[in-house]
Amino acid sequence: GAGVSQSPSNKVTEKGKDVELRCDPISGHTALYWYRQSLGQGLEFLIYFQGNSAPDKSGLPSDRFSAERTGGSVSTLTIQRTQQEDSAVYLCASSPPRTPYEQYFGPGTRLTVT
Amino acid sequence: AQKITQTQPGMFVQEKEAVTLDCTYDTSDPSYGLFWYKQPSSGEMIFLIYQGSYDQQNATEGRYSLNFQKARKSANLVISASQLGDSAMYFCAMREEASGGYNKLIFGAGTRLAVHP
Repeated sequence: GAGVSQSPSNKVTEKGKDVELRCDPISGHTALYWYRQSLGQGLEFLIYFQGNSAPDKSGLPSDRFSAERTGGSVSTLTIQRTQQEDSAVYLCASSPPRTPYEQYFGPGTRLTVT
Repeated sequence: AQKITQTQPGMFVQEKEAVTLDCTYDTSDPSYGLFWYKQPSSGEMIFLIYQGSYDQQNATEGRYSLNFQKARKSANLVISASQLGDSAMYFCAMREEASGGYNKLIFGAGTRLAVHP
């Protein structure tokens, strides 16, 4: 079946602009996660959704970052007034309800802020 | 706080040889899970293997096995009969169970494996 998809695959933006990153999880997966991977680093947890609600936003690095999920499916991560330190790969993962410890990752969006 | 440590930034191995990638962890939770993911140059994180803290046997998946030593808090990945396609970054991760019953993953810094012909 189809895996987790993310768009765009690459995004170059100027400092100060807003960007939206999209994640389409595997059908039937109720949990959705966003992670950030800076160059040469491991992954850093950003936010978790169960259905449409986000019980844990603790990983969002600043109030310029926000995320929403509609219809228990597609999620959008928005970064306002982008800064150069926001440059990273943003990865989305989803989990099935019966084995919530399994996380299936998408290919990521590489964001470059110039 | 939970922590994952991967002390080998880079490793190389000859094709068809076995290689061990190290991972140690720190947690005070009695129930936890450990994962290994592979990240090729394409960027996608590929799940390889999972070990639960209460599992009696070491996990195996094909050429991958997890050498779980609970007392030492280590969860090393062993790849047998290396192939050129195994060249990638490898991440060890631990699931942190938050209140509400969901899991977020805490990742190590990764080990870059290069398989030479």
